Parts: sequence; C-alpha cells; structure tokens
Amino acid sequence: DAKTTQPPSMDCAEGRAANLPCNHSTISGNEYVYWYRQIHSQGPQYIIHGLKNNETNEMASLIITEDRKSSTLILPHATLRDTAVYYCIVRAFLDGNKLVFGAGTILRVKS
Amino acid sequence: DTAVSQTPKYLVTQMGNDKSIKCEQNLGHDTMYWYKQDSKKFLKIMFSYNNKELIINETVPNRFSPKSPDKAHLNLHINSLELGDSAVYFCASSPNVGRGNYGYTFGSGTRLTVV
Repeated sequence: DAKTTQPPSMDCAEGRAANLPCNHSTISGNEYVYWYRQIHSQGPQYIIHGLKNNETNEMASLIITEDRKSSTLILPHATLRDTAVYYCIVRAFLDGNKLVFGAGTILRVKS
Repeated sequence: DTAVSQTPKYLVTQMGNDKSIKCEQNLGHDTMYWYKQDSKKFLKIMFSYNNKELIINETVPNRFSPKSPDKAHLNLHINSLELGDSAVYFCASSPNVGRGNYGYTFGSGTRLTVV
C-alpha cells in the first residue's frame, strides 16, 4: 500500500475554508485517493475520492497535484460539526479492496 | 433506515467469556468488513467477506471467528475474551470488489469492554 502523511492536527475558524493536506509520494498509477472522516464516537464517513482530476461534491472539494504526489481536501465553509479526524487513504485496489487507515488529521473548528 | 446496523452498541463482559456482535446492511453491497479501533484510535481491518466468502484475514487471533450467513450479514464471534480485546468494533460494507472505487459505509460501532 502507498503510504500517506498528514499533519496530526489543524485548527480552523468557523465559516472559513479548511484546507487539509496529504502527501502520498509513492502512489501508484492506478491508485485512487480517498478521504474519510470520523466524528467523535461515530463510524468513519466517506467524503470524496479522486484519481487525477479535481473533484467536488456537496461535502468537499479534492485537489490532486499534477504529479499525484499530494492532495488537499477543502471544506469550503467549515462549521463546528466538521470537527473530526480526517483520513487520507490511498486505495490498495488490488489488495482485496481494503482501506488502510493512518493516524489522520484532527481538525478543530473553532467559533 | 439505517444502512449498516450493528448490535449491541455497548457490550461489557468478563474475561474468558464468549460473545458475538452482529452486523446487517441493507444497501445491497456484496462486501462486508470488520474493523477494530483500539484505545490509541487506530482503525485496523480484521476481516472482509465477499458474497459470504472470506477474502481478507489480517492475522487476527483464531479466537475471532467471523460468520456470514448471507451477503447482508457479517457477524463476529469472539471466544475466551481477553482484556486486550477491549475496543470499538466497526462493521462496514461496500459494492463488489473490482466494480470501481466506491466508498465504504460504516456502522456506528460496538464498544466492547472486557473486565
């Protein structure tokens, strides 16, 4: 599995954009980048995924660099309910479809 | 409707006991998983079943035995419980292996405490 590196924690002001970085320099050509989050005491929640192109959905945007060695998850207008651990995962596509979670980034949204 | 449901939500039991955790998904997914999240908050995959067939077993002690009676259910039975088994166990499901990169749907977890 390609490994990811994320900062252990970040703070963001409520209403501002939260930009969460992720490095995945050993990513393979057919591996996707996934983002999940885990709000306290709940199960992880799927946010978004992408291969090469930038992606956007109702929750967030995903920006992947041209060399695919890093990406950024953007929450455009963070709210207090976005406080969670955010996981950047490179999908082990050929390895039984499993997701391997790292330590993630604790995002604290403050009022 | 809850997409992935686990029961019980909390389980407190003594060392040496045998216990089961049940998981059901109503999403029509073919693949189901068990993950363990320990006190350090790391999520680790334990098992994966695809259409009732075991496809991932991450060197979990054989005291842990998953069972999938059909593709909508994946139960976890634990024999001879130990203190180190205390953790939150999450069930998840996803569409079939190889059918593209779809997200997992997780249940809300079962907090197991062994005393």
